[in-house]
Amino acid sequence: KAGVTQTPRYLIKTRGQQVTLSCSPISGHRSVSWYQQTPGQGLQFLFEYFSETQRNKGNFPGRFSGRQFSNSRSEMNVSTLELGDSALYLCASKGVTGVSSYEQYFGPGTRLTVT
Amino acid sequence: LAKTTQPISMDSYEGQEVNITCSHNNIATNDYITWYQQFPSQGPRFIIQGYKTKVTNEVASLFIPADRKSSTLSLPRVSLSDTAVYYCLVGDMFYGGSQGNLIFGKGTKLSVKP
Repeated sequence: KAGVTQTPRYLIKTRGQQVTLSCSPISGHRSVSWYQQTPGQGLQFLFEYFSETQRNKGNFPGRFSGRQFSNSRSEMNVSTLELGDSALYLCASKGVTGVSSYEQYFGPGTRLTVT
Repeated sequence: LAKTTQPISMDSYEGQEVNITCSHNNIATNDYITWYQQFPSQGPRFIIQGYKTKVTNEVASLFIPADRKSSTLSLPRVSLSDTAVYYCLVGDMFYGGSQGNLIFGKGTKLSVKP
């Protein structure tokens, strides 16, 4: 079974621009969560989508948004990029029935650099 | 969610057994203990999960005392490739504390030397 895939793997943007990252979960998984990882703050939860609905959100500004499509693929958007948004953005998927929510499967991440 | 405390870093040598202890004094009755491993520039990888006593799989063992206020991840005979950050997480099995939300602490950076 294919793992979680994220595109693109690397991205360089300029302050003020916006960016869209994509995540394809493991086949059959309906929950997709997004995390931001930086050296200073570590791994921080952004939001989770389940069946096209955001059902949980972390403590990030409104510039960070996401959506999920009917095939469970998810996108994350960051508008008006700031230097501090430079980070590794990770997507994780998990099944629902009979699977612990802690057995989340992470993708390789998208390394975003804002200059 | 129960707060976890683990050492910031640990050093070991190839072939040794490594034990990483995590403290979680406020663990709740419904909470499970889960460990993830992360290599640089990769997403975390699930290693093992347990509720009480001992759990063993092909890569690690997890020891949980009766009071469940701590847990120990045991990696047998580590190799250079086990150099990574190890995270201990505690939370409700089905909801992760808040549905898809995993709370990661700082983790333990394990360095395995030849």
